[in-house]
Amino acid sequence: ETGVTQSPTHLIKTRGQQVTLRCSSQSGHNTVSWYQQALGQGPQFIFQYYREEENGRGNFPPRFSGLQFPNYSSELNVNALELDDSALYLCASSLGRGVAKNIQYFGAGTRLSVL
Amino acid sequence: AQKITQTQPGMFVQEKEAVTLDCTYDTSDQSYGLFWYKQPSSGEMIFLIYQGSYDEQNATEGRYSLNFQKARKSANLVISASQLGDSAMYFCAMREGLGDSNYQLIWGAGTKLIIKP
Repeated sequence: ETGVTQSPTHLIKTRGQQVTLRCSSQSGHNTVSWYQQALGQGPQFIFQYYREEENGRGNFPPRFSGLQFPNYSSELNVNALELDDSALYLCASSLGRGVAKNIQYFGAGTRLSVL
Repeated sequence: AQKITQTQPGMFVQEKEAVTLDCTYDTSDQSYGLFWYKQPSSGEMIFLIYQGSYDEQNATEGRYSLNFQKARKSANLVISASQLGDSAMYFCAMREGLGDSNYQLIWGAGTKLIIKP
């Protein structure tokens, strides 16, 4: 158990809709990272939040957006869903800046299907 | 060019045998970290072991050890005395640089390990 929880576990949406995924970080962690994992592939970095500010972003379009709240929980929002957005979305929490080892601990993921 | 290469898409290993999962990486940074994660069919990514580029000794965590060969840019995971519960996808990942602006993990394509009874 990593203490990182994601909701919902599964979600089915249709093309063009919007979706919000949620993540609660491990106690004491101030950084949350989001990854997209397509079937049969390794995860791809979407973005990271450190103390409520975006700390870096991967190669994803602006319709992927996020938030981090004062309790360090986080949301991932995806607008105008496309079929290729179907994937497992993983959230990871970590201690953040100034920590060399900085292990990212993951939740169980949200599996999104876009029809 | 691929930053993390895992050349073994799948492996079958007899229970109780040792297994080595290969990982090579490509970076021009002097400071970096290498990670191995296990992903069972349930989907959760489970941290196994970490090796920093400046660590002089190979990392070990219980039955897991990392065979780190810096000059060859290789970071192979060794699992001793494999168990049926070790059956899963295994991912090698890298974090380039260790400063505050370096944040993302870069992942390989994974190796599917199946332990046979």
